[in-house]
Amino acid sequence: SAVISQKPSRDICQRGTSLTIQCQVDSQVTMMFWYRQQPGQSLTLIATANQGSEATYESGFVIDKFPISRPNLTFSTLTVSNMSPEDSSIYLCSVDQGHEQYFGPGTRLTVT
Amino acid sequence: GQQVMQIPQYQHVQEGEDFTTYCNSSTTLSNIQWYKQRPGGHPVFLIQLVKSGEVKKQKRLTFQFGEAKKNSSLHITATQTTDVGTYFCAGAGTALIFGKGTTLSVSS
Repeated sequence: SAVISQKPSRDICQRGTSLTIQCQVDSQVTMMFWYRQQPGQSLTLIATANQGSEATYESGFVIDKFPISRPNLTFSTLTVSNMSPEDSSIYLCSVDQGHEQYFGPGTRLTVT
Repeated sequence: GQQVMQIPQYQHVQEGEDFTTYCNSSTTLSNIQWYKQRPGGHPVFLIQLVKSGEVKKQKRLTFQFGEAKKNSSLHITATQTTDVGTYFCAGAGTALIFGKGTTLSVSS
């Protein structure tokens, strides 16, 4: 199994600012995934991050709003740019190992 | 686009009663996965089903994958208070698409 940590665990940010969320995995993985989970809702895939290439974004999500870095096989960052209250959500990173998907503890973001 | 629908959205049971949640996909899936999320926690992988008609059991939990690989179910026998949480199915097509989840509450 994979152990995933995320920083920060939570933050309160002002609209118009940006927040970078870090995700660290305890083993090397090819793909890392970023999800958003709004309060009481399901998980929505934002993008898939492969090391050495640009992230692949799902419909409704764009690189300018959610830039992603993947500098090596154990680390990724997701930036939420120019935030608005609608971006208030839990952001989770995830990895796929042996066809099991493991999730980080999430970053709870509140935009005021 | 691909959609995964899950019912019911909420279910309340008395401890000891059975519980079932159903998942339906608009397209054929390569596999389906089930997750449990406790309140305030993150999703935890339970199981993956790959084969048409597959049935897997984990103690009191029984998972089924439909013959057409478009639907699945999770059945919990004799629920306990430790079963509370939200159960998500996730269908693997071109991407992993999560259902909206079924939130289970159990009263003792």
